[in-house]
This record gives sequence, structure tokens and C-alpha cells, in this order.
Amino acid sequence: DAKTTQPTSMDCAEGRAANLPCNHSTISGNEYVYWYRQIHSQGPQYIIHGLKNNETNEMASLIITEDRKSSTLILPHATLRDTAVYYCIAYNYNAGNMLTFGGGTRLMVKP
Amino acid sequence: DSGVTQTPKHLITATGQRVTLRCSPRSGDLSVYWYQQSLDQGLQFLIQYYNGEERAKGNILERFSAQQFPDLHSELNLSSLELGDSALYFCASSEGGGGSPLHFGNGTRLTVT
Repeated sequence: DAKTTQPTSMDCAEGRAANLPCNHSTISGNEYVYWYRQIHSQGPQYIIHGLKNNETNEMASLIITEDRKSSTLILPHATLRDTAVYYCIAYNYNAGNMLTFGGGTRLMVKP
Repeated sequence: DSGVTQTPKHLITATGQRVTLRCSPRSGDLSVYWYQQSLDQGLQFLIQYYNGEERAKGNILERFSAQQFPDLHSELNLSSLELGDSALYFCASSEGGGGSPLHFGNGTRLTVT
């Protein structure tokens, strides 16, 4: 699976959009980009995933660059409850690979 | 609430002992995954079962074993426990073995003294 690089930590003001970047410059054509988050030692929570196109659901939007070498997770109106570690993972489940978590980005939403 | 239930929430035991962690997947999910999270290692994949059969293995120690029962619940057995086994153990489930999102339980915190 492609290695992903994320900033170690970020701050965001409550009510503003949180834009979390992820670099996956060695991603292959069959690898999807998944985002999960983990709130303070709770179980990780699935947020969104995509292959090429931008995706949106009730939690967030995922913007993937045309060359697929990077992506951005957007939380449109961050709340204090969005404070968590966010994991960006690129993997090819069709190859029988497992979801592998890296260090993630610790997002702190501040009042 | 993810729909994945793990018991017990906390477990304190001594070195050399054996424990069993239990996981009930979301209704309808056939795949169960076990992950270990310790302070210095992050989230590590241990093992996956799909409809009762072992599907994939990660960095699972020989002292650890797991199984998935006909009712699809799963158990992770940890034996000859060492201090370094202290960690959060998460179970996750998904509809199938493919790219279905994983839904995690809230874990069992194991402390080995």
C-alpha cells in the first residue's frame, strides 16, 4: 500500500472549515483513499473514502487531486466534538491488503 | 454507536495469565477484524475472519489466537501474558472482506501487571 504523509497536528477554530491534507504521491491506480478518525481512545470511526472523484457525505467531503497524489478531508463546520486523530489511508483491498493505520493528524478544534 | 460490542471494557490481570476478549459484530456483518493499539505502536492489525474462516493475518503473536463462531461473534485469546501486551484491543466488523468500511467497537483495555 502507498505510504501516506500527514501533518502531525493542526488547530481549527470552532465553526470554521477544517481542511486536513494528506500526501500519497506513490499511490497506485487500484488504491482507494480512506479516512478514519479516533476520538480519545474510542474505536476508530469511518468517515469517507474515494478513488478518483471527489466524495461528500453527511460527515465530510473528500477532495482528491487529479493526479491522485494528494487529498484533502474537509469538515465544513468543525465543532469541539471533531477534536480527534484523523487517519488517511491508501490501500488496495482487492489485493487482500488490510487497513493499516499510520500516525494521523491530531486535530484540535478550539472555541 | 457503531453496533460492534466488545466485552469486557477493562481487564486487569497478571503476567503469565490467559484472557479472552469477546466481540459481537454489527448485525449482518460477516467479517471481523482484531487490532491492537499500544502507546508506542499505534493501531496494529492482528487478524481477520470472514464467515468463520481465517482470512488474513497480521503481526499476531503465537501466544495470541482468535476464532469466529457460527453466530459470527469472535473471541481473541491472549495467553502467557507479558507486561508489553498491555494495550487497547479493538474489534471491527464489515459487511464483507472487500472495501466495505470497517466499523470499530470501543475496545477492551487490557492491563497486565
